[in-house]
Amino acid sequence: GAVVSQHPSRVICKSGTSVKIECRSLDFQATTMFWYRQFPKQSLMLMATSNEGSKATYEQGVEKDKFLINHASLTLSTLTVTSAHPEDSSFYICSARTGILDTQYFGPGTRLTVL
Amino acid sequence: LAKTTQPISMDSYEGQEVNITCSHNNIATNDYITWYQQFPSQGPRFIIQGYKTKVTNEVASLFIPADRKSSTLSLPRVSLSDTAVYYCLVGQPMKTSYDKVIFGPGTSLSVIP
Repeated sequence: GAVVSQHPSRVICKSGTSVKIECRSLDFQATTMFWYRQFPKQSLMLMATSNEGSKATYEQGVEKDKFLINHASLTLSTLTVTSAHPEDSSFYICSARTGILDTQYFGPGTRLTVL
Repeated sequence: LAKTTQPISMDSYEGQEVNITCSHNNIATNDYITWYQQFPSQGPRFIIQGYKTKVTNEVASLFIPADRKSSTLSLPRVSLSDTAVYYCLVGQPMKTSYDKVIFGPGTSLSVIP
């Protein structure tokens, strides 16, 4: 099946710093990528939809200036958490949609801890 | 997007068949039903997808009655490694305009030795 990678898998940073998370589709081109956030023992919450070459569409309540999303190519999307605070600590997961069956394939996730 | 309802949690012994039912009363004509599996600290993994009747792959079976208002994921002879959260989602994956997936709370399956 299609493979989606994320980097880094785990990051710890100080409050006030910015963190960039990469999401790559390894063996297919993804016109659309999605970013989710998951808190402990909760379901995935969609943050934004990222389309290659255009601005991301953010879900209600998600600050676009805080969570910067760039989808510069058909295989790479990045999420930058700007001026991170402890409440931003979470598990961030991306997914990519193939162009054939439109099934979403998920990355392994990135654990962000803000001290 | 059609809303789904699943049991919050289920327990099962090793070797048993597990059936997880999902209700989706307002499913649309063009909606498909997709199930994902998620282990702790990992991204969800696609399990199976169907539109009607029965779909089977090497991992699971999906049963969908004629009215399509519910579906049942069947896991044969579960093992400890099947302990995970299972999500049922309903949408139109074949349409190019299908733009996002909304996850419900899922069903936490615990397999007991």
